[in-house]
Amino acid sequence: KAGVTQTPRYLIKTRGQQVTLSCSPISGHRSVSWYQQTPGQGLQFLFEYFSETQRNKGNFPGRFSGRQFSNSRSEMNVSTLELGDSALYLCASSLGGVQGEAFFGQGTRLTVV
Amino acid sequence: GNSVTQMEGPVTLSEEAFLTINCTYTATGYPSLFWYVQYPGEGLQLLLKATKADDKGSNKGFEATYRKETTSFHLEKGSVQVSDSAVYFCALSERETSYDKVIFGPGTSLSVIP
Repeated sequence: KAGVTQTPRYLIKTRGQQVTLSCSPISGHRSVSWYQQTPGQGLQFLFEYFSETQRNKGNFPGRFSGRQFSNSRSEMNVSTLELGDSALYLCASSLGGVQGEAFFGQGTRLTVV
Repeated sequence: GNSVTQMEGPVTLSEEAFLTINCTYTATGYPSLFWYVQYPGEGLQLLLKATKADDKGSNKGFEATYRKETTSFHLEKGSVQVSDSAVYFCALSERETSYDKVIFGPGTSLSVIP
């Protein structure tokens, strides 16, 4: 079956702009999590959606938001971009049940200039 | 709160050397434990997992044993290859009310040289 698909793969934006990233989970998976990965901070949890509801959130400012649609696809939005938002953004999908095994997409590389 | 600690990298080994990447965790209950691997330019992939004490997860020659007494889940491989060069993440998943929360360690970069 198809894996987790993230689009776009690469993105260059200017400070102050906003950006929307998309994630299509594995068919049947209802949980989608978002992570920010940077060389300095490593892998940091942003938020998790399950059945269109955000049920867990990391320690990121309100400029970072997300949503999940009825088909489990998820979008992440970052407003008023800062240089420090440059990172690899990873999406992971899972069934949302026990054992937490997650399947990751290849990520979206965001560069803010 | 729950946390995962890994040995600092980068780790550089010669081909066919023995690999150990240490991982210890802090959790209030009985978590499931995982090792994920990230190859250059890609997302993370599940390498192996263990769901209860004394379980041994294994895959592609890698092994890790869930040691509750030492709260550890060290990753080992008897003979590494150049293709094993990647970043390795230890993670735990613990039931939080009605769902599981996954916490990742900081990752350990491994370089294997011919």
